[in-house]
Amino acid sequence: EVQLLESGGGLVQPGGSLRLSCAASGFTFSSSAMSWVRQAPGKGLEWVSTITRSAGSTYYADSVKGRFTISRDDSGNTLFLQMNSLRADDTAVYYCAKRYFDWLSHADHWGRGTLVIVSS
Amino acid sequence: DIVMTQSPDSLAVSLGERATINCKSSHSVLYRSNSKNYLAWYQQKPGQPPKLLIYWASTRESGVPDRFSGSGSGTDFTLTISSLQAEDVAVYYCHQYYSTPLTFGQGTKLEIK
Repeated sequence: EVQLLESGGGLVQPGGSLRLSCAASGFTFSSSAMSWVRQAPGKGLEWVSTITRSAGSTYYADSVKGRFTISRDDSGNTLFLQMNSLRADDTAVYYCAKRYFDWLSHADHWGRGTLVIVSS
Repeated sequence: DIVMTQSPDSLAVSLGERATINCKSSHSVLYRSNSKNYLAWYQQKPGQPPKLLIYWASTRESGVPDRFSGSGSGTDFTLTISSLQAEDVAVYYCHQYYSTPLTFGQGTKLEIK
């Protein structure tokens, strides 16, 4: 059974940093591209970033480019999102999502999410 | 960026009746090289993560009831629930994975009439 477990969320002040993790199990992690998708309170889904298999390439939404960095540890089956220069509008539940195969494929499994609150 | 526009924003349907949600993309999401539409549908219930229902516009994910179906090609897509059940109350999103930035529709809230 595919399992994705996010952690690392919490309350952070504007301008601060946070590192999210997503522990994956139940599938061959290195064979799947992975994404982060966020959802602000009461709002819709917003794609944040995708990393290809073997971390060959990374892609970012314009809203986070230059501030967020996606990475992966295939030996530890873990996905990361380093978030710097956080702003109030980054407040959201952050979901880790497994893509079916490569970076342009559907997300077939999602974690339960971790809540990030950016506030003073 | 490819903009995904769903209609309606909300929908109330009687139990056992058909529910139809539309999704229009600002650019075709059909890759002619493999004839696949890079379009998925997700269901999200309160307090839960999104759940994949349909991918490649019309392929039902394993375990999804056959009352859910997807259709369309190019820029116009439809999610149909043939006979609404109480457990189908949720917000539904279409999602294009044709190109980055990957984008979602704004969501359609489905309720029981």
